Amino acid sequence: NAGVTQTPKFQVLKTGQSMTLQCAQDMNHNSMYWYRQDPGMGLRLIYYSASEGTTDKGEVPNGYNVSRLNKREFSLRLESAAPSQTSVYFCASSKDRQGAVYSPLHFGNGTRLTVT
Amino acid sequence: KQEVTQIPAALSVPEGENLVLNCSFTDSAIYNLQWFRQDPGKGLTSLLLIQSSQREQTSGRLNASLDKSSGRSTLYIAASQPGDSATYLCAVAPGNEKLTFGTGTRLTIIP
Repeated sequence: NAGVTQTPKFQVLKTGQSMTLQCAQDMNHNSMYWYRQDPGMGLRLIYYSASEGTTDKGEVPNGYNVSRLNKREFSLRLESAAPSQTSVYFCASSKDRQGAVYSPLHFGNGTRLTVT
Repeated sequence: KQEVTQIPAALSVPEGENLVLNCSFTDSAIYNLQWFRQDPGKGLTSLLLIQSSQREQTSGRLNASLDKSSGRSTLYIAASQPGDSATYLCAVAPGNEKLTFGTGTRLTIIP
C-alpha cells in the first residue's frame, strides 16, 4: 500500500540552486496538490492539479512551478531556491476535487528542504 | 479571509480518559471539514470528513461534530491510548481546492 510517495526525503540547497520534488500516487486519484508546512503557519497550498492536464495556483505559488506529468505524477520545481523556501513540502492526492461529495486528502511523508 | 484556530496548542491527558479537541473557523460558508492526525516526521493521515450538511461522523473511538452556525467542530476521542499521541489538525474546504488548515493541537497521552 504505497499511497503517495515523495522523493527525496531530505534536501539541502544553496541559494540560487534549482531542484525538482517528485510525487507519485498509486490510488488512481484525479486531483493532486503541493503544500508547504511552516511552524506556526499551518499548511499552505502552493499549486494543485484538479485533473490530469490542468494545474492552478494556490495560496503561495511564487518561486515555484509544477508539472502534472501524467495521472500518477505531479512534480514541484524550485528554479532559484531562496532561504524563505526552507520548509517541509507535502504532496497530497484525492479521488476528486475538494468540492466533490467525499474526497479526503491523502498525504505523502514529506520532503524536508533547507536552503542556506 | 477564512481563519481556522485550534486551541489549545498542546494537551496532555492520562491514558483511558475521554477527550475533546476543538477547531473554530470564521467563515461558515464551508463545503466540508476534515480532521487529520500527523505523527512526528510524517505526513497527515485523514481521520474524518464531515460534509456541510452533516452534523457528525464516527470512526471507531473517534467522533467529529460540526456546527456551521457557530463556526465550530470538535473531535472526541474515547478511551484514549498512548498510540493516540500525535498532532491533530482540522481543515475547512470552501468548495474549491483552497483548504484552510489550523495549526493543530499536539496531544500527548500519558501511560
